[in-house]
Amino acid sequence: GDSVTQMEGPVTLSEEAFLTINCTYTATGYPSLFWYVQYPGEGLQLLLKATKADDKGSNKGFEATYRKETTSFHLEKGSVQVSDSAVYFCALKMIKAAGNKLTFGGGTRVLVKP
Amino acid sequence: DAGITQSPRYKITETGRQVTLMCHQTWSHSYMFWYRQDLGHGLRLIYYSAAADITDKGEVPDGYVVSRSKTENFPLTLESATRSQTSVYFCASNPRDFNNQPQHFGDGTRLSIL
Repeated sequence: GDSVTQMEGPVTLSEEAFLTINCTYTATGYPSLFWYVQYPGEGLQLLLKATKADDKGSNKGFEATYRKETTSFHLEKGSVQVSDSAVYFCALKMIKAAGNKLTFGGGTRVLVKP
Repeated sequence: DAGITQSPRYKITETGRQVTLMCHQTWSHSYMFWYRQDLGHGLRLIYYSAAADITDKGEVPDGYVVSRSKTENFPLTLESATRSQTSVYFCASNPRDFNNQPQHFGDGTRLSIL
């Protein structure tokens, strides 16, 4: 079945450091890919998405590029802030997936220290 | 305000009791979902619904019951709660759209079963 693998956390960084969270997927076909962010005590919010190969999603200084050849969708941010401390989830959805279901990775906790 | 709301936000109950978690969305989205979030497991899909009166099992449905008599509501019931069902529960919704629209999440219900 379809699956998403993320690097395990926690990832601890200093403010203004560069952040990368690796995400790879296995899918029968060409999925759409998403990054969600979960701030403490809140639900998941969509951070960015990409729907086809070579698409780059971006939002709030975060970027991720859909790489079909490596089945990856790594999340990057050039200069993190304390407010970026959260749990980040990579997810995929197949075109016309039954029930519009998302498949999530296990999440990566990021802690940014001042 | 429009959106997706879950209630209660926190609940403590005892093993063997029945408990119902509520989810209400104001977007008239066709699809609704229930997930549980546990350390080490990420998000796992419990049940989902494609429309009123249509529900289907997800990855971990045992011990849970859902109903969807109205499009806007999707309650989740634990008929006889067990300690293993202690978790954070998230409801989500999605429009009927196969063009990869994101799911929208509520803020979650933290359920503790003693």
